[in-house]
Amino acid sequence: EVQLVESGGGLVQPGGSLRLSCAASGFTFSSYDMHWVRQATGKGLEWVSAIGTAGDPYYPGSVKGRFTISRENAKNSLYLQMNSLRAGDTAVYYCAREGYVDTAMGRYYYMDVWGKGTTVTVSS
Amino acid sequence: IQLTQSPSSLSASVGDRVTITCRASQGISSYLAWYQQKPGKAPKLLIYAASTLQSGVPSRFSGSGSGTDFTLTISSLQPEDFATYYCQQLNSYPSITFGQGTRLEIK
Repeated sequence: EVQLVESGGGLVQPGGSLRLSCAASGFTFSSYDMHWVRQATGKGLEWVSAIGTAGDPYYPGSVKGRFTISRENAKNSLYLQMNSLRAGDTAVYYCAREGYVDTAMGRYYYMDVWGKGTTVTVSS
Repeated sequence: IQLTQSPSSLSASVGDRVTITCRASQGISSYLAWYQQKPGKAPKLLIYAASTLQSGVPSRFSGSGSGTDFTLTISSLQPEDFATYYCQQLNSYPSITFGQGTRLEIK
């Protein structure tokens, strides 16, 4: 069964750090780009970071310089190191697998497998 | 690239035909996906490339559009379809954005 399981969430004080993990199983992890997406309570989805199969990272401006995405293919694991945390980072954090399909019109991406999420709360 | 969904919420009855719209702030070709999310659950992929149904998704779901205007249609609402729906653009990959969501409620 294809599965993603996040862990590492918890309560942290503003300015603190936390490292999230995502364990993948049921597919060849090293062959897929991976993402982190978060969702604050009652709010919409926000893309947090992505990492390519070669380890190339990508971030939106809201977390760039504070968050670091990484992967360890030998352990089928994805990570998110979060530093200088703020109250606005409080959310459920999901890891997601990126799929794609190649057509005559181009390559189309999507997120086809998601974990159940891990909750991060930033509060004093 | 910003995505604006309308309506933000919608009340409908079982058996109704429902359409949700997603408008992009600039052209994104067909680089759009739709997700369904139920309370306390992770999002589920419904449609990618604007109109391609993900494997296992019921055929009552369909997507259309290209450029800046897209729609998700549910042809005959079932009880399990009451959820929140999000569009997602992947034109500026890997910088990805989601719409604000459309909450579909039972009338």
